[in-house]
Amino acid sequence: DGGITQSPKYLFRKEGQNVTLSCEQNLNHDAMYWYRQDPGQGLRLIYYSQIVNDFQKGDIAEGYSVSREKKESFPLTVTSAQKNPTAFYLCASSMYLGAFYEQYFGPGTRLTVT
Amino acid sequence: DAKTTQPPSMDCAEGRAANLPCNHSTISGNEYVYWYRQIHSQGPQYIIHGLKNNETNEMASLIITEDRKSSTLILPHATLRDTAVYYCIVSPTDNSGGSNYKLTFGKGTLLTVNP
Repeated sequence: DGGITQSPKYLFRKEGQNVTLSCEQNLNHDAMYWYRQDPGQGLRLIYYSQIVNDFQKGDIAEGYSVSREKKESFPLTVTSAQKNPTAFYLCASSMYLGAFYEQYFGPGTRLTVT
Repeated sequence: DAKTTQPPSMDCAEGRAANLPCNHSTISGNEYVYWYRQIHSQGPQYIIHGLKNNETNEMASLIITEDRKSSTLILPHATLRDTAVYYCIVSPTDNSGGSNYKLTFGKGTLLTVNP
């Protein structure tokens, strides 16, 4: 069964701690993306990766970091520098960058920082 | 800079057709219209996309006006499971790795299908 998995579904952290969100895909997609969604709002792009060992900042990259050491994996670290980290985080992938007609999203991770 | 305008909410009776409008008056010649939907607390799901011609798939139909300044997503027989936020997005499709790297999701339309 092909798809994107994100874990955990819910995550709680204390302010000042870094936290890493997992994203794995078995669709053999080259491009992967991280979005953030706040209540009642649309999605905003954090980082994206076109290929292994390459990634680019999106619109709201400050306070976040990513790595792309394997094609299947694109973990996102929310650092203590992110001022408002509480949000719903969504990972997505597509065959190649810009193939939006086949962009698949994971189930999301809801992060709460107190 | 919003490229699309959608009503914030709509209601539809179960079994009836749901017609979701979208205005995109500044759309460029190389930009496609994409529709996604997001069921509560899940990731968005691709529905359909089109450039000029009307499109239909197993989920929905997309009607694009001749001047391409607006479009309508049609769910022919809405069910309770179609209750979701529907996003209309315009973007070029490009595999050159250039600037066409993202979809810009606005607030969408919350469609509520009532029994």
